[in-house]
Amino acid sequence: SAVISQKPSRDICQRGTSLTIQCQVDSQVTMMFWYRQQPGQSLTLIATANQGSEATYESGFVIDKFPISRPNLTFSTLTVSNMSPEDSSIYLCSVETRTSKATDTQYFGPGTRLTVL
Amino acid sequence: QKEVEQDPGPLSVPEGAIVSLNCTYSNSAFQYFMWYRQYSRKGPELLMYTYSSGNKEDGRFTAQVDKSSKYISLFIRDSQPSDSATYLCAMKGGAGNKLTFGGGTRVLVKP
Repeated sequence: SAVISQKPSRDICQRGTSLTIQCQVDSQVTMMFWYRQQPGQSLTLIATANQGSEATYESGFVIDKFPISRPNLTFSTLTVSNMSPEDSSIYLCSVETRTSKATDTQYFGPGTRLTVL
Repeated sequence: QKEVEQDPGPLSVPEGAIVSLNCTYSNSAFQYFMWYRQYSRKGPELLMYTYSSGNKEDGRFTAQVDKSSKYISLFIRDSQPSDSATYLCAMKGGAGNKLTFGGGTRVLVKP
């Protein structure tokens, strides 16, 4: 498994501003992911962040709105830019590790609860 | 139609009862199946993962996969109030190999 921490754990922001969320893992991982979970909903993948390459964004998510950095194998950031109330959500960092039976499984951080006023 | 369907609940059971959760899916390329537990205001916690059809047991938890019916289940025996949470099924396989989640089932175990 992997131990994942996120900062901040929560924040309340004004519309039009930006927030950068940090994700730190206790071991080196190749694949890191950013998800959004809106109230009462399941998880939606925003993008996949691999070290040394640009992030790959899912349909409906763009780099200008959600720029991602992945400077090394244990750290990533997600920025939510020019925020609006519709961006109020929980943002989750996730990493993929290989189990003893060669199955890739994903572990999640505690999440960052964002409220945009 | 969603790729993964999961009854949102809530599912309310008395303490000690068996909790039965399930998901159906449409993509026959899915090969890996997981169950996550998510407490309120927390990130999802991996409970079980399975690869093949059949049963896998871990303590009070049993995961079942029936690939022919595209149906997976999670059973929680001797349920406790601390099992009250949202349970998410997830699966992956095929092109892209991304994790696809069900909508989650909220479970309430009453003392």
